[in-house]
Amino acid sequence: DQQVKQNSPSLSVQEGRISILNCDYTNSMFDYFLWYKKYPAEGPTFLISISSIKDKNEDGRFTVFLNKSAKHLSLHIVPSQPGDSAVYFCAASSYGQNFVFGPGTRLSVLP
Amino acid sequence: GAVVSQHPSWVICKSGTSVKIECRSLDFQATTMFWYRQFPKQSLMLMATSNEGSKATYEQGVEKDKFLINHASLTLSTLTVTSAHPEDSSFYICSAVLRARVTDTQYFGPGTRLTVL
Repeated sequence: DQQVKQNSPSLSVQEGRISILNCDYTNSMFDYFLWYKKYPAEGPTFLISISSIKDKNEDGRFTVFLNKSAKHLSLHIVPSQPGDSAVYFCAASSYGQNFVFGPGTRLSVLP
Repeated sequence: GAVVSQHPSWVICKSGTSVKIECRSLDFQATTMFWYRQFPKQSLMLMATSNEGSKATYEQGVEKDKFLINHASLTLSTLTVTSAHPEDSSFYICSAVLRARVTDTQYFGPGTRLTVL
């Protein structure tokens, strides 16, 4: 039973447009959510996070939205750039323990 | 951001030998580190949780006698693949948890590519 789901295995977006990556979770005890970006043959890189007390966190081109009632979060990248092409993992944790990762979404930004 | 290093980045070994992979948090102390394995085109698979000064906690299906984990200090955890076989060939990634007052964040190492001949 997947506690963190990323239902889109892949996403293609035109350069300059907005990329929206979605993530759903089932465990209401999760209180902290993170997004990671991963290139092939490299470790994931931390992008942005959000605490459950917030519904939005923004850092440059990256914004994460959290809808607790729907147990849904999304990562918005705008404008998308070719260098953003990677696999994006959503992760959730409760009280800093048991980080649970989603299966990832492969984003391709087309020039 | 916080930096986590892994060494070696790539290792090739003969079947039956043991390989040690080091994971270091370079600019912070980490009481908790994680070890992951990634198969081609698949997500990260958590292998074990490494806690400084205590025994590692292994996920179901991971052989603790085969994948030895030692978290001897607040900045170093090691994973030793004992009696490696070709099916152990994979990409191994560690992460270290930076604990803050409000939130904890995992920072990942660059990964180690293990090829067992």
